[in-house]
Amino acid sequence: QKEVEQNSGPLSVPEGAIASLNCTYSDRGSQSFFWYRQYSGKSPELIMSIYSNGDKEDGRFTAQLNKASQYVSLLIRDSQPSDSATYLCAGPPGGGADGLTFGKGTHLIIQP
Amino acid sequence: DGGITQSPKYLFRKEGQNVTLSCEQNLNHDAMYWYRQDPGQGLRLIYYSQIVNDFQKGDIAEGYSVSREKKESFPLTVTSAQKNPTAFYLCASRTGLAGGLNGELFFGEGSRLTVL
Repeated sequence: QKEVEQNSGPLSVPEGAIASLNCTYSDRGSQSFFWYRQYSGKSPELIMSIYSNGDKEDGRFTAQLNKASQYVSLLIRDSQPSDSATYLCAGPPGGGADGLTFGKGTHLIIQP
Repeated sequence: DGGITQSPKYLFRKEGQNVTLSCEQNLNHDAMYWYRQDPGQGLRLIYYSQIVNDFQKGDIAEGYSVSREKKESFPLTVTSAQKNPTAFYLCASRTGLAGGLNGELFFGEGSRLTVL
């Protein structure tokens, strides 16, 4: 199974600043990646999906996929305390297998 | 509202007992999944099903069993053979549209199992 890796943090960012979350993956053939937000004690919630090289913007969130370097990133602009959560990166498990493989998550703390 | 319903949200079990976690979806999704999450860990795949009456083992299937008799339902049984069953269990489903086999997953609210 191919790996998806993230720095577990915690990553502490001041309110109003840009939070930058990163994820690397091992399967060069992977085409689709996802970012999920998970509040403590809750289930993951999909916030961004990206299927092609480059940037994808949705409101305050921007997902970036760089296939040559095999990394995915999530930028959160104008960070709010409500953005404090664990962010999970997910991608294909490789080998044509069904479903997604998840990183362990990065714990993000937005300081008021 | 369309979504995935898991029950119960919290469950306590004595050692040696089997327990079944329910997962129902009204999204008309073909594929359904069970993941397990332990504190500070990512999600690990237990079982998945792409179609009614068929299911496949994931990475940590030992001590678990599933059935898929209806498209809407994918229950998970945690058996007494599972050595460390205390965890947060998440059911998910996939549309099969964008991303194909590796498209986005939608999750239920989860079931938290504690073995006493």
